[in-house]
Amino acid sequence: QQQVKQSPQSLIVQKGGIPIINCAYENTAFDYFPWYQQFPGKGPALLIAIRPDVSEKKEGRFTISFNKSAKQFSLHIMDSQPGDSATYFCAATNQAGTALIFGKGTTLSVSS
Amino acid sequence: KAGVTQTPRYLIKTRGQQVTLSCSPISGHRSVSWYQQTPGQGLQFLFEYFSETQRNKGNFPGRFSGRQFSNSRSEMNVSTLELGDSALYLCASSPNVGVGGYTFGSGTRLTVV
Repeated sequence: QQQVKQSPQSLIVQKGGIPIINCAYENTAFDYFPWYQQFPGKGPALLIAIRPDVSEKKEGRFTISFNKSAKQFSLHIMDSQPGDSATYFCAATNQAGTALIFGKGTTLSVSS
Repeated sequence: KAGVTQTPRYLIKTRGQQVTLSCSPISGHRSVSWYQQTPGQGLQFLFEYFSETQRNKGNFPGRFSGRQFSNSRSEMNVSTLELGDSALYLCASSPNVGVGGYTFGSGTRLTVV
């Protein structure tokens, strides 16, 4: 019940493409869903986060889509650039507890 | 505004030794969490501190411990090191509990030989 399942494990897109990364969770108590971006040698950096009272959130080129009934959420990267090449992690938690439960990560490569 | 600072960045230790890692949160942040990152297991929660009290603990053996000081700085300790403890240890801070917005440091890379 504590797992967050992330797919795909790796993704290759061309510059300008729209990579989509999907995550699914089981624990209905989760109410905060962030996405993190990690470059080699760095810690994860918060990209965007959503709470279950909205179905979509956009920040710049990054969009989260959230489907509460299906217990799924996804990250879309518009007009992807080579600089977006990194590992992306979805996560989930709830306000009562503060432990982030992470997906296994998706390695994105954007070719020029 | 300074980010989350972790020291040291790299450590090499021998099996059986113990190690202490340090984390200075963003100024004003009172919640500090620790995570272990390995290629096989990914990012796993170790523990979380708020106001010098451990609020939450992950599924790790008692060899892993931590504490938080009155200035919100935190340390974690691993005793009797095993080869499997080799990992990137990440600290994250947040303004308060349950508000999200966790900011991670760059981590301490621990290698146990």
